[in-house]
Amino acid sequence: EDKVVQSPLSLVVHEGDTVTLNCSYEVTNFRSLLWYKQEKKAPTFLFMLTSSGIEKKSGRLSSILDKKELFSILNITATQTGDSAIYLCAVGAGGTSYGKLTFGQGTILTVHP
Amino acid sequence: DAMVIQNPRYQVTQFGKPVTLSCSQTLNHNVMYWYQQKSSQAPKLLFHYYDKDFNNEADTPDNFQSRRPNTSFCFLDIRSPGLGDAAMYLCATSRDLRLRATDTQYFGPGTRLTVL
Repeated sequence: EDKVVQSPLSLVVHEGDTVTLNCSYEVTNFRSLLWYKQEKKAPTFLFMLTSSGIEKKSGRLSSILDKKELFSILNITATQTGDSAIYLCAVGAGGTSYGKLTFGQGTILTVHP
Repeated sequence: DAMVIQNPRYQVTQFGKPVTLSCSQTLNHNVMYWYQQKSSQAPKLLFHYYDKDFNNEADTPDNFQSRRPNTSFCFLDIRSPGLGDAAMYLCATSRDLRLRATDTQYFGPGTRLTVL
């Protein structure tokens, strides 16, 4: 059975701190890893990673994938209160699971002023 | 502008009383998904439609059914809700089953279901 595990489950920091969120996976026929940000509304797409070692960057957020060690990290630098959310990691597979996303349970990030 | 719309945002039903949740999309995407997300848990895929092709996950209870009358709309029917069905129900769409960074799954805001 495909499995995605995120850590930590929750994190409390102050504005300006840097955080690293972890996602490890065991998936047959891995195709891609996606990061989403979920506030009190729809999860919004952040990154999609398919190749090892290539960093994706968007403003203060960046992410990288290690397909050998089966994990990804999401970094947020100079955190702001608006970064408070649940961050979801999901893995897309091929084969009989083509098109499906298996989600981790999420990391709840709280940023205090 | 909202692209994936779910109604209602909050639904309260009684134990055993059928309920229908609605999802519509303005993206003209081929694929529509329904996920169940319980408190502090990962979203779990219930089923998806590729066009009119229905694909049920093996562990989705029979109590959950879905209809897709046209490209834009998809419904989730819970025939006899139990207390354990209380959750957030997320609808998502994608252009195709093959996801790309520019063509991923887009989520609606969810419907939070409470079962009394």
